[in-house]
Amino acid sequence: GQQLNQSPQSMFIQEGEDVSMNCTSSSIFNTWLWYKQDPGEGPVLLIALYKAGELTSNGRLTAQFGITRKDSFLNISASIPSDVGIYFCAGPKIYGGSQGNLIFGKGTKLSVKP
Amino acid sequence: DTAVSQTPKYLVTQMGNDKSIKCEQNLGHDTMYWYKQDSKKFLKIMFSYNNKELIINETVPNRFSPKSPDKAHLNLHINSLELGDSAVYFCASSRDRGWGTQYFGPGTRLLVL
Repeated sequence: GQQLNQSPQSMFIQEGEDVSMNCTSSSIFNTWLWYKQDPGEGPVLLIALYKAGELTSNGRLTAQFGITRKDSFLNISASIPSDVGIYFCAGPKIYGGSQGNLIFGKGTKLSVKP
Repeated sequence: DTAVSQTPKYLVTQMGNDKSIKCEQNLGHDTMYWYKQDSKKFLKIMFSYNNKELIINETVPNRFSPKSPDKAHLNLHINSLELGDSAVYFCASSRDRGWGTQYFGPGTRLLVL
């Protein structure tokens, strides 16, 4: 079935560094979503991508929808301590041409040292 | 003011008990979901309701029964709780079916002893 593979699984970085994480699949997705989950909270949507090749920014975050529609990356520039959390990519399953429920990657856990 | 709220936030109970978790959204969304997040933080959808009708039921034991009294509420009842049910359960809602932006509640941390 459709799966999303995220890498890296975890990252330990120094405050101020840039971060890059990605999400790949063997299947095509028509929508890519990036969520962040703070400790003890529910996931919150950061960026939504709807077209192949689309590059979208949200403050220090930038995400791109791969041309092949099988991958996406998320970059965070100049990381700060509140960037700590788990970042999930997600995309709706495709059933016979139409989109269904979201499936999530296993997450990238980000730790930031002040 | 809270968009998606869940109660209780924490639930500790004994194996074999029956428990319910409640969810409410004030966003006017038509679709609501229950997700389970295991100890490895893997998020998996359990159920989805659109306008009080069940539209997704993933492979979930029938001890889990969702109920939607109206489109702003989706409750989850669990019978005969087992140790493996321990997890964080998230409610979410969206305007569209599945591919729209989903707004998540704060989660209910269930521990079965």
